[in-house]
Amino acid sequence: EAQVTQNPRYLITVTGKKLTVTCSQNMNHEYMSWYRQDPGLGLRQIYYSMNVEVTDKGDVPEGYKVSRKEKRNFPLILESPSPNQTSLYFCASSSRGRDEQFFGPGTRLTVL
Amino acid sequence: AQSVAQPEDQVNVAEGNPLTVKCTYSVSGNPYLFWYVQYPNRGLQFLLKYITGDNLVKGSYGFEAEFNKSQTSFHLKKPSALVSDSALYFCAVRDFSPVSGGYNKLIFGAGTRLAVHP
Repeated sequence: EAQVTQNPRYLITVTGKKLTVTCSQNMNHEYMSWYRQDPGLGLRQIYYSMNVEVTDKGDVPEGYKVSRKEKRNFPLILESPSPNQTSLYFCASSSRGRDEQFFGPGTRLTVL
Repeated sequence: AQSVAQPEDQVNVAEGNPLTVKCTYSVSGNPYLFWYVQYPNRGLQFLLKYITGDNLVKGSYGFEAEFNKSQTSFHLKKPSALVSDSALYFCAVRDFSPVSGGYNKLIFGAGTRLAVHP
């Protein structure tokens, strides 16, 4: 089954404790991206990647890091999480030349 | 800069009645417009898109959207709502900014919650 998976689905952590949210897709898509969803703000892009080892900042990159060492994986790293990073996070992938993006199920992060 | 606006936080409709979820856009050039739906505890799912051609676009689950260039709108419609249509709906526009380097970045609206009552 074609899908985007994220782990964990739910995470409660404390300020300053480094964490990683994994994202993996099995569709051989070139493009991957991370969004955060906040009430009244819709989805805002954090980082995106056009291919292996090619990443760039989205609209709200502060406090986040990403890497793309393999085509299928695109982890989101929070080196020192803060409460304002409490949000619902989505990973998405898409194929070059196609507009439709495929989204993962989301990761609900709470930073205390 | 490209943007979309969804003027309604929530839309309530009775099952069997027609529904409309509104979206207006602001773009330079020709817009590429999308609708996505988010069911509870799920990721977003693609519903339909407008690139060019007919102003009425048909998509998944019986939804359609009407592109209106003069009103810069792209409203989502369905002739007969189902309780199972209750979800969060997002309008989006493709960002063709050179900064994005050809990546098909989407700019999303804030979302509209659709509640269909039995």
